[in-house]
Amino acid sequence: DTAVSQTPKYLVTQMGNDKSIKCEQNLGHDTMYWYKQDSKKFLKIMFSYNNKELIINETVPNRFSPKSPDKAHLNLHINSLELGDSAVYFCASSPRGATLYNEQFFGPGTRLTVL
Amino acid sequence: TQLLEQSPQFLSIQEGENLTVYCNSSSVFSSLQWYRQEPGEGPVLLVTVVTGGEVKKLKRLTFQFGDARKDSSLHITAAQPGDTGLYLCAGLPGGYNKLIFGAGTRLAVHP
Repeated sequence: DTAVSQTPKYLVTQMGNDKSIKCEQNLGHDTMYWYKQDSKKFLKIMFSYNNKELIINETVPNRFSPKSPDKAHLNLHINSLELGDSAVYFCASSPRGATLYNEQFFGPGTRLTVL
Repeated sequence: TQLLEQSPQFLSIQEGENLTVYCNSSSVFSSLQWYRQEPGEGPVLLVTVVTGGEVKKLKRLTFQFGDARKDSSLHITAAQPGDTGLYLCAGLPGGYNKLIFGAGTRLAVHP
């Protein structure tokens, strides 16, 4: 009964490959997010979807493409992986995106290592 | 660009000591949150402060939002090994569009 789940937990791949990370939330939330946490633990938002609609698209290479088939799922596909893409990627959800309290529930993270 | 700076970056203390972690910005935030992240897991929300000068307590943790809503502090009394983790502050700018995270304070409490 995990609230926000991500698969896989670990992903090791070669430079140039294409990979996907999946995220699912069973909290009934409207808004989902992808964050990237680098080696210095700095957490930065990449994308946000509200009810399957893209509402935040930060300065992210277009090799990264999110997809939300329904409001409970937000997947992240990465093309032509580069060494600099190595990081931990977190999925998160919140009841409604634009509120003062905006409590976000994070998944366990996917550690991506590009060799 | 709105930034949140956390200090100290690292803190290693003995069980029973008190400590304070700071989160500062030159920008005003509508609200500010504190999260704790343990190794191999995602951040977990501890508290949200909304009003300038607001103080919230969570057992041995005391959170304060600055009067001008540009800074916040987290004070832990009588730290325990279970408090070990990465503490992240996150601010919500006007417009509530997205959270801005600080780089975190890594706390280690030794028995």
